[in-house]
Amino acid sequence: EAQVTQNPRYLITVTGKKLTVTCSQNMNHEYMSWYRQDPGLGLRQIYYSMNVEVTDKGDVPEGYKVSRKEKRNFPLILESPSPNQTSLYFCASTLTSGTHYEQYFGPGTRLTVT
Amino acid sequence: AQSVAQPEDQVNVAEGNPLTVKCTYSVSGNPYLFWYVQYPNRGLQFLLKYITGDNLVKGSYGFEAEFNKSQTSFHLKKPSALVSDSALYFCAVIPTSGTYKYIFGTGTRLKVLA
Repeated sequence: EAQVTQNPRYLITVTGKKLTVTCSQNMNHEYMSWYRQDPGLGLRQIYYSMNVEVTDKGDVPEGYKVSRKEKRNFPLILESPSPNQTSLYFCASTLTSGTHYEQYFGPGTRLTVT
Repeated sequence: AQSVAQPEDQVNVAEGNPLTVKCTYSVSGNPYLFWYVQYPNRGLQFLLKYITGDNLVKGSYGFEAEFNKSQTSFHLKKPSALVSDSALYFCAVIPTSGTYKYIFGTGTRLKVLA
C-alpha cells in the first residue's frame, strides 16, 4: 500500500530535550516536505526537499532541522524544543513530474512541549 | 507576498443543498491549484487539482472546482452536500516559478446539517 508513515504519532516532551520525528514514504517520490498545523494559521511549510541531499527552508524553519540522506526518509529534528513548537506536524511526499504534484500526507504527529 | 485566502472560517449548509467553499490566490506565474480535505484526527487527503487544460476540474467524492484566472479564484463546489462531507478543507497553490514551495490557505470548516 502506497503510504507516508510518521513516528511517533504522539509525543510529550520537555523544553530543550532533543527529539526526532521520522517520516518515510514508499512511493519513490522525489519531493518531501514538513508542515505544522496550528489553529487559525492553516498549514505552514517548515522545510522541503526536492531530492536526496537537497533541502530548503519553507516559511517557518526556525528551530528545526532536516536531512535527506535517502530518498524514502525525511526526518524532522528539533535540537532544543520550546513550548511554541507545540503543534500538529505533517510530513508529505509528492511526485513532481508531468501533471502530478498532489501531496500525499502522513497521519500526523501531535507534539506537546512543556 | 504570495498567498492563498480562504475568506470563510466556517460554511454551514443543509444536506442536499449545493455547497461552495471559496479560495482566492495571489502568486506569480501560472499556479498549480489544489484542494485537500481533513477529517477529524486524520491527515490531509487530496481532492482535486488544476494544472492545465479545462478550467472545470472534477475530483473525489463528487467535488469539483473551477479555475478562474481573471478573478484568481479556485472555488470548491458540490451539487448536493452530504453530512459525511463535514470536514476541514484546505486550498493550496504552487507558484510555477521553480521554488516548489507549497502555500496553503488557513482552512474552511464545512458543516453539513441533517
